[in-house]
Amino acid sequence: SQKIEQNSEALNIQEGKTATLTCNYTNYSPAYLQWYRQDPGRGPVFLLLIRENEKEKRKERLKVTFDTTLKQSLFHITASQPADSATYLCALNAGNMLTFGGGTRLMVKP
Amino acid sequence: NAGVTQTPKFRILKIGQSMTLQCTQDMNHNYMYWYRQDPGMGLKLIYYSVGAGITDKGEVPNGYNVSRSTTEDFPLRLELAAPSQTSVYFCASINTGSSYNEQFFGPGTRLTVL
Repeated sequence: SQKIEQNSEALNIQEGKTATLTCNYTNYSPAYLQWYRQDPGRGPVFLLLIRENEKEKRKERLKVTFDTTLKQSLFHITASQPADSATYLCALNAGNMLTFGGGTRLMVKP
Repeated sequence: NAGVTQTPKFRILKIGQSMTLQCTQDMNHNYMYWYRQDPGMGLKLIYYSVGAGITDKGEVPNGYNVSRSTTEDFPLRLELAAPSQTSVYFCASINTGSSYNEQFFGPGTRLTVL
């Protein structure tokens, strides 16, 4: 069966460190993968897209990698700040639809 | 642009009641989606539409119905509310003309069925 797995346990890190979140999937062949940020009580907000033929994408302090052999994406936030505290969701495309992982909650402590 | 708007923000229903969750977008997006999100879980797709007059089932369509008579509006109907439908409901739309295919989400409707 198809699965998208993100670490369900919260990730706690110190301000200034790099946060690394993992997204693993099985039985998908996505053309692209996206990462979203969700704050409590709000809808998700798009952050980055990476395509199957791309290894790495960067946007300011964010970096995403995509390994279609390992079926894994890593999402990095460098020089993390308390304002980065949120839940981060990965999503894979399947035709006209996106399928979301369960999300990982990131807590950045000052 | 207001983006994606949803009404109501909160609602409590009794078992067996019906209601319609409203969703409107003013970005002229063709693709629209309804998701539900249970506590601590990811988003599950209920229904989606690729244009006015065209709808299709997602992963969890049972107990719901949709219609898409205009590009802007995509209402979600619950006919016989059940406690299992207690959840937060998000509507989203896609700009298929963008290279990022990002989904724009509304603020959500928190529904409780008692």
